[in-house]
Amino acid sequence: QKEVEQDPGPLSVPEGAIVSLNCTYSNSAFQYFMWYRQYSRKGPELLMYTYSSGNKEDGRFTAQVDKSSKYISLFIRDSQPSDSATYLCAMKGATSGTYKYIFGTGTRLKVLA
Amino acid sequence: DVKVTQSSRYLVKRTGEKVFLECVQDMDHENMFWYRQDPGLGLRLIYFSYDVKMKEKGDIPEGYSVSREKKERFSLILESASTNQTSMYLCASSFQAGGPTGELFFGEGSRLTVL
Repeated sequence: QKEVEQDPGPLSVPEGAIVSLNCTYSNSAFQYFMWYRQYSRKGPELLMYTYSSGNKEDGRFTAQVDKSSKYISLFIRDSQPSDSATYLCAMKGATSGTYKYIFGTGTRLKVLA
Repeated sequence: DVKVTQSSRYLVKRTGEKVFLECVQDMDHENMFWYRQDPGLGLRLIYFSYDVKMKEKGDIPEGYSVSREKKERFSLILESASTNQTSMYLCASSFQAGGPTGELFFGEGSRLTVL
């Protein structure tokens, strides 16, 4: 079983739709949860970062963490064609005394104008 | 802005060739990382470094080596390239050494094809 599971998509939505992207994880040692956005032929860039369970909002983006269910989500409101990208969830927690990042495989999102 | 620069965006090499992938960061970060990214497998850590001349194996180090002679530069070396090393290679850096935070800043990637 992978430590982090993420639906690869692709996910196609019309402009203005609400998008929900999700990841599940199995390791309860994960404490820090991130979403990276990767445009085609570019490196990933950090979009959202959360530590505790609950919601964190930044403009049109909301990151949600449910540690009891080991489930994290990224919501995009009023989606735009410029949001078309691959979204990677990432998690970090102490493993054998060092902090290690684990990435999901990424969900490819296309927002249609 | 933090900049992580990978010198080669696209490379085509033959089986058995020695390949060097270079990465330079300009923010004085202690930590540097090499990942490979493959469809369906996501990002997998090859090697990382917490300091000059320090290196640690990641999850898939076989067939790779690294060099960090200067703080800003981290090189990935494929001693004898094989076709299963065809991939996108991503370099990243971060500030906090080993701590819980530390955003990863990525380069734009080097797409390597081994024929």
